[in-house]
Amino acid sequence: GAGVSQSPSNKVTEKGKDVELRCDPISGHTALYWYRQSLGQGLEFLIYFQGNSAPDKSGLPSDRFSAERTGGSVSTLTIQRTQQEDSAVYLCASSRRGGGGASETQYFGPGTRLLVL
Amino acid sequence: SQKIEQNSEALNIQEGKTATLTCNYTNYSPAYLQWYRQDPGRGPVFLLLIRENEKEKRKERLKVTFDTTLKQSLFHITASQPADSATYLCALIYGGYQKVTFGIGTKLQVIP
Repeated sequence: GAGVSQSPSNKVTEKGKDVELRCDPISGHTALYWYRQSLGQGLEFLIYFQGNSAPDKSGLPSDRFSAERTGGSVSTLTIQRTQQEDSAVYLCASSRRGGGGASETQYFGPGTRLLVL
Repeated sequence: SQKIEQNSEALNIQEGKTATLTCNYTNYSPAYLQWYRQDPGRGPVFLLLIRENEKEKRKERLKVTFDTTLKQSLFHITASQPADSATYLCALIYGGYQKVTFGIGTKLQVIP
């Protein structure tokens, strides 16, 4: 595709419900990242995928958060039993390779704005 | 753990002047430092990358410097325009791995 796409663009949910956020990276990009951006906060790293595997899950805030990537392409970030503090913009980015020393530009999607009531 | 500091106050500057944004970090120097631009409601967009062995990088009206002694990067926009108004993020990348650590960003407002 032309760029990274994310869906939904906005999500309002009730506390305690589960939500699933989707990211479609740029075709051919092997590295995929999830970040969270809260109001007035910087980008918070959540998880990084290289292909289908996630060598770094250190940023996931709790065990209510999980992510998977299938076929080396689409990724879903799932938040179970959502809490109000989960409200934020969830951004996905992809890059061509990831790892290996040479830095790669990350291309970001527009984000999913999650509001937990 | 690594800390990144960007001037958290918004920076207001007159059109035509040079805007200078600061990014300071603690601990060890990254292999690469990137600058991104983020507009409201959008994801960040990559602008420039500078390596730890480079002192300066330019791209059109943009200039980035990297001083590993001071643990600081400066981002300059010359002949600033109202269209340059946005939040600018610096990001650190450590060699051999693509985890990117972002600063909180500095909001730049260019006044016509």
